[in-house]
Amino acid sequence: DGGITQSPKYLFRKEGQNVTLSCEQNLNHDAMYWYRQDPGQGLRLIYYSQIVNDFQKGDIAEGYSVSREKKESFPLTVTSAQKNPTAFYLCASSILGTSKSYEQYFGPGTRLTVT
Amino acid sequence: GQQLNQSPQSMFIQEGEDVSMNCTSSSIFNTWLWYKQDPGEGPVLLIALYKAGELTSNGRLTAQFGITRKDSFLNISASIPSDVGIYFCAGQLLTGGGNKLTFGTGTQLKVEL
Repeated sequence: DGGITQSPKYLFRKEGQNVTLSCEQNLNHDAMYWYRQDPGQGLRLIYYSQIVNDFQKGDIAEGYSVSREKKESFPLTVTSAQKNPTAFYLCASSILGTSKSYEQYFGPGTRLTVT
Repeated sequence: GQQLNQSPQSMFIQEGEDVSMNCTSSSIFNTWLWYKQDPGEGPVLLIALYKAGELTSNGRLTAQFGITRKDSFLNISASIPSDVGIYFCAGQLLTGGGNKLTFGTGTQLKVEL
């Protein structure tokens, strides 16, 4: 089955610790995205990558870092510099260069709680 | 970043009723997408629209790309309990958006049996 996997589903960390969220896709999609979702709000873009070894900041990149060493993987690190890290994090992917380039497909999400 | 205005913010309807929601912006969009999100899960793509005026259906769902390219509408006919969830619109800006999507704030749908 093709799809996007995020692990773990729930993650708990102490304040001041860095934490890395996993995102893997086997859809052979070119682009991958990380979003943050807070209660009652829409999705806000953190980082995105259209090609291996390249990525761009989204609207709320401060306190986050990413890497794209493989086409299938786009891990997100929430650093201790992120002032309010508790949120639901969603990874998405899309194919590029076709009429469906804007259709993003989402993983199941990781809920991060920092205390 | 810009967000789309989505209304209503929430709806509480009877099973079997039809539902309408919309998404508006002051900017022009190239593409409109509608997603549904169940609690604790990722959004699922329902319908994608690519042309102004386009009307597309997916089962009981029908969505339209507004003629002005600044809005989109989603209708659900004969609602059932599994329609419960949050519906998000998303758009790709005509200029300056690249491959990024702008998301609405969501419409929460609750269905009363």
